[in-house]
Amino acid sequence: GAGVSQSPRYKVAKRGQDVALRCDPISGHVSLFWYQQALGQGPEFLTYFQNEAQLDKSGLPSDRFFAERPEGSVSTLKIQRTQQEDSAVYLCASSQPLQYQNTGELFFGEGSRLTVL
Amino acid sequence: QKEVEQNSGPLSVPEGAIASLNCTYSDRVSQSFFWYRQYSGKSPELIMSIYSNGDKEDGRFTAQLNKASQYVSLLIRDSQPSDSATYLCAVKDRDDKIIFGKGTRLHILP
Repeated sequence: GAGVSQSPRYKVAKRGQDVALRCDPISGHVSLFWYQQALGQGPEFLTYFQNEAQLDKSGLPSDRFFAERPEGSVSTLKIQRTQQEDSAVYLCASSQPLQYQNTGELFFGEGSRLTVL
Repeated sequence: QKEVEQNSGPLSVPEGAIASLNCTYSDRVSQSFFWYRQYSGKSPELIMSIYSNGDKEDGRFTAQLNKASQYVSLLIRDSQPSDSATYLCAVKDRDDKIIFGKGTRLHILP
């Protein structure tokens, strides 16, 4: 597809359940970012990949959060033992490094809305 | 102190008037600054980037940067109802990742 694709768009989980959120970046985009956006807040940085290398994971809120991009394309954000405070929209964004350096433009997917009951 | 601060609004502006959105940032090292627009239920999209002190104009939008005061602003001239959205100020930090403010909700009154 032409844009960043995320799935599922909506996920309802019971507290304690594990969830996996998928991001398929724009074809050829080397850089991939995950952000968490709570209601009424701006996107909060979680982690960043360049190809398969996870260059920065300083924003992951706890060791229950784990992200991977094993082949340098599709990425999965996994949340173990979900808590109510994990309820948010999880945004994935991709870019080309040179374009990112020059313009800072991130191309966002539509997000995965997670609700933890 | 949060790295990027914005007034959450809502900011209500009559149609045709100038909307002024403001942002301050904490890290003096930052060199790259951005304004993203986010419609309700949608994902953010880049509308302006600015790197040097002064003004940068693109159509109805003008970004202003004052590094000494650590201040970034966005002016929207001839505001239209379609400009109603949340405007996110963003800064590229010293680790080269983009940090967003909470956003300012803008409401253009027809």
